[in-house]
Amino acid sequence: GAVVSQHPSWVICKSGTSVKIECRSLDFQATTMFWYRQFPKQSLMLMATSNEGSKATYEQGVEKDKFLINHASLTLSTLTVTSAHPEDSSFYICSARDRRTGIYGYTFGSGTRLTVV
Amino acid sequence: GQNIDQPTEMTATEGAIVQINCTYQTSGFNGLFWYQQHAGEAPTFLSYNVLDGLEEKGRFSSFLSRSKGYSYLLLKELQMKDSASYLCAVRENSNYQLIWGAGTKLIIKP
Repeated sequence: GAVVSQHPSWVICKSGTSVKIECRSLDFQATTMFWYRQFPKQSLMLMATSNEGSKATYEQGVEKDKFLINHASLTLSTLTVTSAHPEDSSFYICSARDRRTGIYGYTFGSGTRLTVV
Repeated sequence: GQNIDQPTEMTATEGAIVQINCTYQTSGFNGLFWYQQHAGEAPTFLSYNVLDGLEEKGRFSSFLSRSKGYSYLLLKELQMKDSASYLCAVRENSNYQLIWGAGTKLIIKP
């Protein structure tokens, strides 16, 4: 089945530094990538939606200059948390839509646990 | 506005049956998903309903009533490994975004 490889699975960084999270679709073309953030005991919060080759669409309240999303190819999307602060500590998950499987084609990455100290 | 409601937490006994309800109010409807999420892991797909009725898949079944804005996930023959959060999500329109409920934490007791 479709697999999305997300790296790193966890990262600890110092406040003020930047962290890049990668999501790769291994055996399909991800036309759309969704980036979510999840705080403990809360549900998924959509941060942004990106389509290959175009700028990401950010949800209200999400700073596009802080959370940089690049979806340069059909198999790779990245989320860079710039100038990270402790309040950015969260579980970040990507979800790719596989255009071959239509409505069923939402495949999640394994998530990245970000801790900013 | 958009709203998806699920119970926060449920407890059930190993071997029993449990039903997790989800009600939704969205401006459009183009399918409802159920996902399972173990702590610290990404969600995994369980079921998808777009037409009214019951979809059965092994121990798990999902029901949808579009007129009532209601769905449930039925888990039979509960196993300890079923302890997880169960997330209800609605696809509102053709932009493929999913609107997520807060999730129901299911605790299975021996």
